[in-house]
Amino acid sequence: GIQVEQSPPDLILQEGANSTLRCNFSDSVNNLQWFHQNPWGQLINLFYIPSGTKQNGRLSATTVATERYSLLYISSSQTTDSGVYFCAVELLGQGGSEKLVFGKGTKLTVNP
Amino acid sequence: GVTQSPTHLIKTRGQQVTLRCSSQSGHNTVSWYQQALGQGPQFIFQYYREEENGRGNFPPRFSGLQFPNDSSELNVNALELDDSALYLCASSPSISNSYNEQFFGPGTRLTVL
Repeated sequence: GIQVEQSPPDLILQEGANSTLRCNFSDSVNNLQWFHQNPWGQLINLFYIPSGTKQNGRLSATTVATERYSLLYISSSQTTDSGVYFCAVELLGQGGSEKLVFGKGTKLTVNP
Repeated sequence: GVTQSPTHLIKTRGQQVTLRCSSQSGHNTVSWYQQALGQGPQFIFQYYREEENGRGNFPPRFSGLQFPNDSSELNVNALELDDSALYLCASSPSISNSYNEQFFGPGTRLTVL
């Protein structure tokens, strides 16, 4: 099956620093989503980005589908950015199902 | 948004459990995921128009239902210790759309003793 690899697995930053999280996937995908999982387990949608670049405030994402990777940029990080960031690729299955295959995540810690 | 109940649940090995999910308004596709500690969520199955239309690598003791109001249940029989995990429900507009972003509920944390 498809492999989704995220790097780095852990990242520690000082407040105000910038960072880049990477997601590589091993095969063509229907779509890609980025999530932030808060300490209570809630997955918060960040981007739905099959290709191209999107920006939302201090966050932006770029997906290059032909080269099978996506990047998530966090600028001027804040302590509230702490948590685990997941990349998930969407695959079409039997019966038209659309399942998400997740990477193992990047655990981000932002220190004050 | 997507809601789930209960928030937490403790069961013993061999018991059965039912978890519930209410989809976001206007969404008719529901998916269930299992997230073990320190891992990414894993796809269990998806329901569309009250029919299961896709399943991940989970045994038949994991079963589900989707109701006409698009709410859903996940049932797990003969609980095992390894079933301890965070169970996440996600809803999306429709598998017949080209745009089908999935939105997750807060999860149910199941502990099997």
